[in-house]
Amino acid sequence: NAGVTQTPKFQVLKTGQSMTLQCAQDMNHEYMSWYRQDPGMGLRLIHYSVGAGITDQGEVPNGYNVSRSTTEDFPLRLLSAAPSQTSVYFCASSYLGGSPAFGSGTRLTVV
Amino acid sequence: QQQVKQSPQSLIVQKGGISIINCAYENTAFDYFPWYQQFPGKGPALLIAIRPDVSEKKEGRFTISFNKSAKQFSLHIMDSQPGDSATYFCAPQLGNTGNQFYFGTGTSLTVIP
Repeated sequence: NAGVTQTPKFQVLKTGQSMTLQCAQDMNHEYMSWYRQDPGMGLRLIHYSVGAGITDQGEVPNGYNVSRSTTEDFPLRLLSAAPSQTSVYFCASSYLGGSPAFGSGTRLTVV
Repeated sequence: QQQVKQSPQSLIVQKGGISIINCAYENTAFDYFPWYQQFPGKGPALLIAIRPDVSEKKEGRFTISFNKSAKQFSLHIMDSQPGDSATYFCAPQLGNTGNQFYFGTGTSLTVIP
């Protein structure tokens, strides 16, 4: 099993550009989530999904969109990138009530 | 973020020493208390976790101590090794929903050979 796969690993965007961070899991987990990690801030929840067709906002959702059309995929969209969105992004999945398994992250720089 | 306070922010320990990282929380509804380990360039990975019905759990060199009345839990790494050098996060969970994790700000551990 590949676990949680994130692409790309690195990305540089110009302010105002849009892009999609991809996340796929092959463990048939119901729950998927996106976090951002910034120095001294720990991990902060952006959006999460408890199943296909169901998404909800986390702690820091502004500037990000998500959708969950299948159990396996949970892409994160940046609509108009801003320097404040420079961060490392982690996707995670789990069974409901279980501990999340994390992907290896996407390091995003917005210039 | 205010619900969880982790300390220290960084820690340097000699090989063979004991590393201790603390986590204090506010919400008494938390019912699952994990520690995650993160190496550079990798995502966090579950290291060890405890439920509030026990006060201590040991797995190899790693021990969680849980103090329900003080609303604190700590990670002890015995006989610390250079390979333990990583960032550690506490992340207490609220309820059984699978989504309500509150991550601490992290502790950077360096074990000197």
